[in-house]
Amino acid sequence: RKEVEQDPGPFNVPEGATVAFNCTYSNSASQSFFWYRQDCRKEPKLLMSVYSSGNEDGRFTAQLNRASQYISLLIRDSKLSDSATYLCVVSGDSSYKLIFGSGTRLLVRP
Amino acid sequence: EPEVTQTPSHQVTQMGQEVILRCVPISNHLYFYWYRQILGQKVEFLVSFYNNEISEKSEIFDDQFSVERPDGSNFTLKIRSTKLEDSAMYFCASSEPGASYNEQFFGPGTRLTVL
Repeated sequence: RKEVEQDPGPFNVPEGATVAFNCTYSNSASQSFFWYRQDCRKEPKLLMSVYSSGNEDGRFTAQLNRASQYISLLIRDSKLSDSATYLCVVSGDSSYKLIFGSGTRLLVRP
Repeated sequence: EPEVTQTPSHQVTQMGQEVILRCVPISNHLYFYWYRQILGQKVEFLVSFYNNEISEKSEIFDDQFSVERPDGSNFTLKIRSTKLEDSAMYFCASSEPGASYNEQFFGPGTRLTVL
């Protein structure tokens, strides 16, 4: 089983749509969870950390379900500029290394 | 806003040559990392560095690789004898001490091409 698993997409949605990405992770002892976005041939940029109680940042809402080892990201009112690859990232139980999923590609069309 | 910087942005080298990739982490950060991303693949952890020593390394980080903090600002990754399969994007990242979630911030990367 992959350490961090994501649907590769692409998700092709119109502007203004709501889109949800899911991710599962294999290590139940993982401590920290993140969503990064990556534009083509650029560095991963931290979008948001994911807290146990769930958290929201503007149009973005992240949820964590530790029992199911499942993380989600919801994007409301999609903008053209949201087009990117969204990376689900987990940090180890006793380690600071980040473990990346392969990413889910989002295309927002006019 | 403080950011991680990396040089060069693109490095082309011949197989068997040594390369040094340079990074300047965010100034108050004390944890430093190297990751790589082969084209079309996911980002992979190479090594973490704290208090002037390696704190963790992956299986990829073999004897051909080394890291160094030669002064108070730079953090380098050296590949002693490059192979074709070392061609990838190399990202440096840093995080601040005591951050409960250890959020890591990435530099723009160095694209290494081994011919």
